[in-house]
Amino acid sequence: DGGITQSPKYLFRKEGQNVTLSCEQNLNHDAMYWYRQDPGQGLRLIYYSQIVNDFQKGDIAEGYSVSREKKESFPLTVTSAQKNPTAFYLCASSTFGQGEAFFGQGTRLTVV
Amino acid sequence: AQTVTQSQPEMSVQEAETVTLSCTYDTSESDYYLFWYKQPPSRQMILVIRQEAYKQQNATENRFSVNFQKAAKSFSLKISDSQLGDAAMYFCAYRRTGNQFYFGTGTSLTVIP
Repeated sequence: DGGITQSPKYLFRKEGQNVTLSCEQNLNHDAMYWYRQDPGQGLRLIYYSQIVNDFQKGDIAEGYSVSREKKESFPLTVTSAQKNPTAFYLCASSTFGQGEAFFGQGTRLTVV
Repeated sequence: AQTVTQSQPEMSVQEAETVTLSCTYDTSESDYYLFWYKQPPSRQMILVIRQEAYKQQNATENRFSVNFQKAAKSFSLKISDSQLGDAAMYFCAYRRTGNQFYFGTGTSLTVIP
């Protein structure tokens, strides 16, 4: 079945650690996105990529980094520079130019 | 910058009744897409309905329909014959052709048995 897979579902990070969230899609979509979801704030865009080896910062990119080495994969690294990383993270993909976004199941990141 | 506004943080509806969720957006574009997504307690984002701006006819998907008013930049979602499984957060979203998505802050819908 085609879809988007995020892993892990739950992730715990110690202060000062970098952690990487995985996102893989087999929908053959060109565009991929990372969103952060906090209560009462909807979905805020962290990074997005429209083609391999290219990506753009979203509204809240500080403290995050991404790579897009393969069309299917768009991992997100939460660095120690991100001061308040506890949140729910959603990965999405879409065809380029039109149509809806398809979402993964999300990763809940907690700082311990 | 494009913005999407959902002015109703919470709504409730009696089972089998009809409820309308509001959404307005700001854009200078003429060609774009609008969506309603549902996020149940599992937190999986599920597409409910979509509307292409160039289409004048309002989209309908079973019990879900929209009222798209392009000049007013309004995109409301009507849920008919509400069911307990409709309880969720609902997000309105805007997509400019070829570009990123913008989401509202969501409306939490409670369905009362």
